[in-house]
Amino acid sequence: DTGVSQNPRHKITKRGQNVTFRCDPISEHNRLYWYRQTLGQGPEFLTYFQNEAQLEKSRLLSDRFSAERPKGSFSTLEIQRTEQGDSAMYLCASRTTGDYEQYFGPGTRLTVT
Amino acid sequence: AQTVTQSQPEMSVQEAETVTLSCTYDTSESDYYLFWYKQPPSRQMILVIRQEAYKQQNATENRFSVNFQKAAKSFSLKISDSQLGDAAMYFCAYSSTNSGNTPLVFGKGTRLSVIA
Repeated sequence: DTGVSQNPRHKITKRGQNVTFRCDPISEHNRLYWYRQTLGQGPEFLTYFQNEAQLEKSRLLSDRFSAERPKGSFSTLEIQRTEQGDSAMYLCASRTTGDYEQYFGPGTRLTVT
Repeated sequence: AQTVTQSQPEMSVQEAETVTLSCTYDTSESDYYLFWYKQPPSRQMILVIRQEAYKQQNATENRFSVNFQKAAKSFSLKISDSQLGDAAMYFCAYSSTNSGNTPLVFGKGTRLSVIA
């Protein structure tokens, strides 16, 4: 296994467009997290999946954001009607039950113009 | 809610010297994990070292060691024999150990520069 992967690595979009990011976790990891990291800040939690169930969303996740994890494998994060404030690095991480270390993907850098 | 504070936005160290990065946290929980993650420029975040709160012994991984002071809620990272490849953002992170969602709570990070 090569670790957590994310696609695309970079996305430039115009304000008002929709974008979708994909995360492929480590195959045996049942827990998946999305974080957002803005310049000069640490990552902030967005949402969490245990298998296919989305169990928690942070207040940062406005109703323009939606995430899915069909069949408990890969996950997608969609942002509708993007705003300039959505520009950030979106990180995905996964872990297995009982191991609290999270393994991170390389991130998707979103720029909204 | 838990918080993590890193009071040093930037640090620098001469190659082969030792540097200590500070981290304090706030929690009402008695059992938890603490982590130091490294994020090199344009590269993904990787774990440097972890500490379980119920273990009194400080964790060590090669040139990296921590000073964990549970009562003071302090968790500093010491890097010995610094190398050019150590230059990166370093994030201190907290994880609860409850059975549900345990997102990492990060500090704002410390940018470490290594001077040749």
